[in-house]
Amino acid sequence: GIQVEQSPPDLILQEGANSTLRCNFSDSVNNLQWFHQNPWGQLINLFYIPSGTKQNGRLSATTVATERYSLLYISSSQTTDSGVYFCAVLDSNYQLIWGAGTKLIIKP
Amino acid sequence: GAVVSQHPSRVICKSGTSVKIECRSLDFQATTMFWYRQFPKKSLMLMATSNEGSKATYEQGVEKDKFLINHASLTLSTLTVTSAHPEDSSFYICSARSLGTGGEQYFGPGTRLTVT
Repeated sequence: GIQVEQSPPDLILQEGANSTLRCNFSDSVNNLQWFHQNPWGQLINLFYIPSGTKQNGRLSATTVATERYSLLYISSSQTTDSGVYFCAVLDSNYQLIWGAGTKLIIKP
Repeated sequence: GAVVSQHPSRVICKSGTSVKIECRSLDFQATTMFWYRQFPKKSLMLMATSNEGSKATYEQGVEKDKFLINHASLTLSTLTVTSAHPEDSSFYICSARSLGTGGEQYFGPGTRLTVT
């Protein structure tokens, strides 16, 4: 089956810093989603991005499907950005295959 | 738009009892709903997929008689943990997908189950 790898596994930054999270996947996928899981467990949809670049405020994402990776950029980090960021890809059955996540801690 | 609710948010029950968790899509019709389980510091593990009006499809290793799933309408799915044991304690999350989203799933806030 499809393998999804995220890096780095952990990231600690000072407020105001920028960060780049990476998601590699092992096979062609129908689509890709980025999520933020806040400390209370709620999963928030960030991007649904099969290819190209999308931006939403301080966050942006780029997926290069031909090279099987996606990047999530967070600029001017805030403490509320803390949590776990998951990448998940849609396989041929339209089921989500999850990466292990990147745990982000933003220090004030 | 695309809001999914889950109830209850947390529940404590005694070993041997059954617990029902509800998942509702509030502003769209969910042709497919998914139930996940998440262990501490891990990503989500898919338990089952349910399509409205038909039986759920369970992932390998998930006991269908223990985790009863019903998807009786386009806005409601329920997960019943029967004869709960302490090892069933976990964070359960549902998601919903509509025909029009091409596969994008929207997630409920999760239910923390503790079995004593």
